[in-house]
Amino acid sequence: DAGVIQSPRHEVTEMGQEVTLRCKPISGHNSLFWYRQTMMRGLELLIYFNNNVPIDDSGMPEDRFSAKMPNASFSTLKIQPSEPRDSAVYFCASSLVTRKDEQYFGPGTRLTVT
Amino acid sequence: GIQVEQSPPDLILQEGANSTLRCNFSDSVNNLQWFHQNPWGQLINLFYIPSGTKQNGRLSATTVATERYSLLYISSSQTTDSGVYFCAVAAAGNKLTFGGGTRVLVKP
Repeated sequence: DAGVIQSPRHEVTEMGQEVTLRCKPISGHNSLFWYRQTMMRGLELLIYFNNNVPIDDSGMPEDRFSAKMPNASFSTLKIQPSEPRDSAVYFCASSLVTRKDEQYFGPGTRLTVT
Repeated sequence: GIQVEQSPPDLILQEGANSTLRCNFSDSVNNLQWFHQNPWGQLINLFYIPSGTKQNGRLSATTVATERYSLLYISSSQTTDSGVYFCAVAAAGNKLTFGGGTRVLVKP
């Protein structure tokens, strides 16, 4: 059974450019999470969805960040415009609420903004 | 929000040694997970353990929810156990809050 799939695995972009990160959750899971990992702040939740609906986006750092989940098998995290301080590893995770929320993480996207 | 503290922050082990990692949290939780982040950056699920004790091979974990802590035991450590171990908890709903991690280095 495939795990959480993220693309791209690595992204290098210049300041000011738009960046789109993609995630495919585990089939059948109905909750999806976006996390960011940095040396300074560790792992922090950005936003999560239940049944494709955004539930809590209080972790989204600012208006430059947006996330969508158009269907149960796909989500995007977009940064526009990107800044060097956005450089981090972005993880997507999914869970099945009826299994008491155990979350499974994708391999992450390492983003470098120069 | 809920606070999660892990100790020790760093641990150096000789291969074959045993160790205990600790996770303290500041409020009641309905979800507690232990993860291993390997040197390639992948987060691997170790245990889902909001209470009780579980074992998986050389690893075991115990959560005492009433006293707000969890312990991860590594026995007969191997070099492949190196990496960072994270504890993460959710106090309500399914928002995980991560601790700062314990960085483990197992020397051959």
